[in-house]
Amino acid sequence: QKEVEQDPGPLSVPEGAIVSLNCTYSNSAFQYFMWYRQYSRKGPELLMYTYSSGNKEDGRFTAQVDKSSKYISLFIRDSQPSDSATYLCAMSDNYGQNFVFGPGTRLSVLP
Amino acid sequence: DGGITQSPKYLFRKEGQNVTLSCEQNLNHDAMYWYRQDPGQGLRLIYYSQIVNDFQKGDIAEGYSVSREKKESFPLTVTSAQKNPTAFYLCASSIAAGGSPLHFGNGTRLTVT
Repeated sequence: QKEVEQDPGPLSVPEGAIVSLNCTYSNSAFQYFMWYRQYSRKGPELLMYTYSSGNKEDGRFTAQVDKSSKYISLFIRDSQPSDSATYLCAMSDNYGQNFVFGPGTRLSVLP
Repeated sequence: DGGITQSPKYLFRKEGQNVTLSCEQNLNHDAMYWYRQDPGQGLRLIYYSQIVNDFQKGDIAEGYSVSREKKESFPLTVTSAQKNPTAFYLCASSIAAGGSPLHFGNGTRLTVT
């Protein structure tokens, strides 16, 4: 079993839709959870950063962490064509030396 | 503007040649990292450094070497011993505190023929 699982997509949605992106993980030592957005031929850009379980909202983006289920989600409201990118989940333990990334989900938002 | 600069953006080399990828940061971050990204795979850690003149191997260090002579700079050399060097290479940095998020450069696409 891989340490982090993420549906690679591609996921296509119409403009304005709510998008749900998810990752599952197996290592209960993970405490910090991140979502990155990566455009083609660019480096990943940090979108959301959360610690332990709970929700965090930033504009159209909401990150959820459920440590009991080892499941994290990113919701995008009112999706825009500019949201078309690959979304990577990442997580690390308390020591911050063990970052693990999902393979990424490719999202296309169609006008 | 603070950030991480990787150069060049694209690099082409013949098989058997060593090549060095540049990474410079002006974020005053202590920790720096090199990752390799291949299609359909998560980022894989090559090397990381938490302090000047010290670095540790990551999961796929074979065929790569690094140096950390200055806080701002963490160059990666892809040697001829790396069996499959064609990939997208990403440099990142973070505050060295546990759990701090990584900030990435825009990558170097290396093609070896």
